[in-house]
Amino acid sequence: EADIYQTPRYLVIGTGKKITLECSQTMGHDKMYWYQQDPGMELHLIHYSYGVNSTEKGDLSSESTVSRIRTEHFPLTLESARPSHTSQYLCASSDGIGLGNQETQYFGPGTRLLVL
Amino acid sequence: GNSVTQMEGPVTLSEEAFLTINCTYTATGYPSLFWYVQYPGEGLQLLLKATKADDKGSNKGFEATYRKETTSFHLEKGSVQVSDSAVYFCALSDPTSGNTPLVFGKGTRLSVIA
Repeated sequence: EADIYQTPRYLVIGTGKKITLECSQTMGHDKMYWYQQDPGMELHLIHYSYGVNSTEKGDLSSESTVSRIRTEHFPLTLESARPSHTSQYLCASSDGIGLGNQETQYFGPGTRLLVL
Repeated sequence: GNSVTQMEGPVTLSEEAFLTINCTYTATGYPSLFWYVQYPGEGLQLLLKATKADDKGSNKGFEATYRKETTSFHLEKGSVQVSDSAVYFCALSDPTSGNTPLVFGKGTRLSVIA
């Protein structure tokens, strides 16, 4: 069982509000990721980190920002929420074990965000 | 670049039917291949993986064989159950692309009816 947690699980918020989605893992993994999952199920990588003080943008342009001050914590922030941000957000971490990128990604349960 | 193409769903099967979900890939090197499953209301979890050509990954009655000659990694199960209803994602990791994250397919939704 993976120990990766996301809060809140569900969030309904008004346009223009600042929100932070929390993601924590207790496995000591260096690598962490944020995905946006649209209603059609497709996953879009929006941010990732390979360790403390490392953050990279993913394939999908996003108005969100992330920080990685501690190994176990990788929060995602939206400075001003809009209806177009309505989606499910999945956090993941990977163990970096194995040769040739054989590592497994472990996913949290997701945060379902609705912006009115 | 690297990419994964999997069959579009939804796939609807009766209980005990045979399942195949096709997955093909494009990669510059010799990738590792994965199948992840997402049950309703949950995040993804690893179902099985294969790290080199001709390897077979298996778990929970599901199997997939890494076929380099056809660049495929099709998921199969001989007899599906209602509890297998979920979304299935094929993914690859290519070590020659540097330290880049997994590349996922678009997902295939499976519904199994009793």
